[in-house]
Amino acid sequence: DTAVSQTPKYLVTQMGNDKSIKCEQNLGHDTMYWYKQDSKKFLKIMFSYNNKELIINETVPNRFSPKSPDKAHLNLHINSLELGDSAVYFCASSPAGWDTQYFGPGTRLTVL
Amino acid sequence: ELKVEQNPLFLSMQEGKNYTIYCNYSTTSDRLYWYRQDPGKSLESLFVLLSNGAVKQEGRLMASLDTKARLSTLHITAAVHDLSATYFCAVGNDMRFGAGTRLTVKP
Repeated sequence: DTAVSQTPKYLVTQMGNDKSIKCEQNLGHDTMYWYKQDSKKFLKIMFSYNNKELIINETVPNRFSPKSPDKAHLNLHINSLELGDSAVYFCASSPAGWDTQYFGPGTRLTVL
Repeated sequence: ELKVEQNPLFLSMQEGKNYTIYCNYSTTSDRLYWYRQDPGKSLESLFVLLSNGAVKQEGRLMASLDTKARLSTLHITAAVHDLSATYFCAVGNDMRFGAGTRLTVKP
């Protein structure tokens, strides 16, 4: 059983499109996260949700919107995609805020 | 703004040798994380250090935190090829990451 899963694994799309990435965890964790890793492997946290409430919103463009329908899911919706959005996006979860995190396999987004 | 600096950025070492990776940060924090990432793979959480003087060990890796010096170290003992990966530290409540240390262990 996959602990933290993401779909899709790869996403290729045109500039200006809107897309979503889904994340699900079956670990019963309270906190979920989204991270972005760019082409230079630099990592940045984007969002964190604790029991469906947003507790971090880094300096991310408002084209990015996290949605958490329940504490097992944290989806990432991106409007008006830009070339600079091309990256690998990782979802993660932890039992509580700032505890050991468990990462999903990543979604490689390519914007053409 | 919190800045996190890792060094070295690249490390090539021989099997059986010891080495240390350093993570320095610019503002006070009592929370530090170490991660491992294999090429083309996801991240794996290695250690969570939550207080000054915290030391954690897992296999050939040992991490420590000195909040007064704003420094964490990741010590590798008797390296083996399987430890080849990129190691990241991240600091603070807002999880500011270092640039990563790419470790290659050669026979």
